[in-house]
Amino acid sequence: GAGVSQSPRYKVAKRGQDVALRCDPISGHVSLFWYQQALGQGPEFLTYFQNEAQLDKSGLPSDRFFAERPEGSVSTLKIQRTQQEDSAVYLCASSLVGSSNQPQHFGDGTRLSIL
Amino acid sequence: GDSVTQMEGPVTLSEEAFLTINCTYTATGYPSLFWYVQYPGEGLQLLLKATKADDKGSNKGFEATYRKETTSFHLEKGSVQVSDSAVYFCALSVGSGGGADGLTFGKGTHLIIQP
Repeated sequence: GAGVSQSPRYKVAKRGQDVALRCDPISGHVSLFWYQQALGQGPEFLTYFQNEAQLDKSGLPSDRFFAERPEGSVSTLKIQRTQQEDSAVYLCASSLVGSSNQPQHFGDGTRLSIL
Repeated sequence: GDSVTQMEGPVTLSEEAFLTINCTYTATGYPSLFWYVQYPGEGLQLLLKATKADDKGSNKGFEATYRKETTSFHLEKGSVQVSDSAVYFCALSVGSGGGADGLTFGKGTHLIIQP
């Protein structure tokens, strides 16, 4: 497809389980971003990749959160030992080049619910 | 740190009314500014952007001017339509060393247009 694709769209997990969320960016986009959006709030930055290099992971809330982009294309956000406060929509975005004035293109997100 | 403040919603207007959604920002560097829109059931989409002072971004009848002296980027539209009902997010990006950076978002303003 032409846009950013995220899967699954919805994920329900029990507290303590590990989850993996996938992002397929627009083909050829160098930069990839992950955000967390709580209900009724704006998205909050988690981490940023330029190609396969993770250049900024300052927004990851704890060491239970881990992201990778091994071949510079598809990315996976992994959350270990999930907790209820991890319930949110996780958004992935990509941009063509690594520049702050470039717009980011967002996927539809994965809605994660931790029971 | 960087932050974005936008007016709280919901904002309810009648069709053909004039719209202003206020947005002010605090940034450690020289930011690029964006408005994103989220229509019901859809993902975030870029509405418009401005990358330097006094630039005006425009799209679909919406406009916003980058005001460095007042650190503002207010969104305006002369005559709103029912189809403009959505959640609007103001955001900024300050690239370190000219590179990409995660977006800092406001909390969003829910706009409701009544026929």
